[in-house]
Amino acid sequence: DVKVTQSSRYLVKRTGEKVFLECVQDMDHENMFWYRQDPGLGLRLIYFSYDVKMKEKGDIPEGYSVSREKKERFSLILESASTNQTSMYLCASRLLAGRADEQFFGPGTRLTVL
Amino acid sequence: GESVGLHLPTLSVQEGDNSIINCAYSNSASDYFIWYKQESGKGPQFIIDIRSNMDKRQGQRVTVLLNKTVKHLSLQIAATQPGDSAVYFCAEAFTGGGNKLTFGTGTQLKVEL
Repeated sequence: DVKVTQSSRYLVKRTGEKVFLECVQDMDHENMFWYRQDPGLGLRLIYFSYDVKMKEKGDIPEGYSVSREKKERFSLILESASTNQTSMYLCASRLLAGRADEQFFGPGTRLTVL
Repeated sequence: GESVGLHLPTLSVQEGDNSIINCAYSNSASDYFIWYKQESGKGPQFIIDIRSNMDKRQGQRVTVLLNKTVKHLSLQIAATQPGDSAVYFCAEAFTGGGNKLTFGTGTQLKVEL
């Protein structure tokens, strides 16, 4: 079974802090994704990566950056956390580049910014 | 069904009844569609997918119907069980768009005993 893990289930940070959310997948998937999920808005794509050291902006990249130094790990970075970044963050991975296919999701990290 | 907005649509069904969850997608070029189930406190889980060259696909207790003419997708769950209670999302993708998935806002399914 594909396993996507996220470093924390719950996280509380203060405004202005730098926040790292880590995601690891164990199935040698090329593609990885970061979404945020808010009530009534569904899942919105922040950033994605087709392969190591590659990154592409999603629909709402402002206030975020990402890092993909190794194939299995995709990190989401909030350089200076703000209260409007309080949300559920979901990481996903997918096997093949260039092909619409099932994405496997991690359990999510619920981030609260005070 | 799913819609854009701040309130999550809710569908309540009796245990044992069939459930139908609807989704209107936006991009006529989309050629791949997925239904996900998200239980409380968990990430979305794949249920079933369908490609645009099909109009129906069946899985175990679930059926997805695709109507490309009106850009409509539905998920039918037969003999709904308490374990089916969750939020259901549809997602669309098209090959020319980098295969990024665009998700609907979700429908909350509540199964009443």
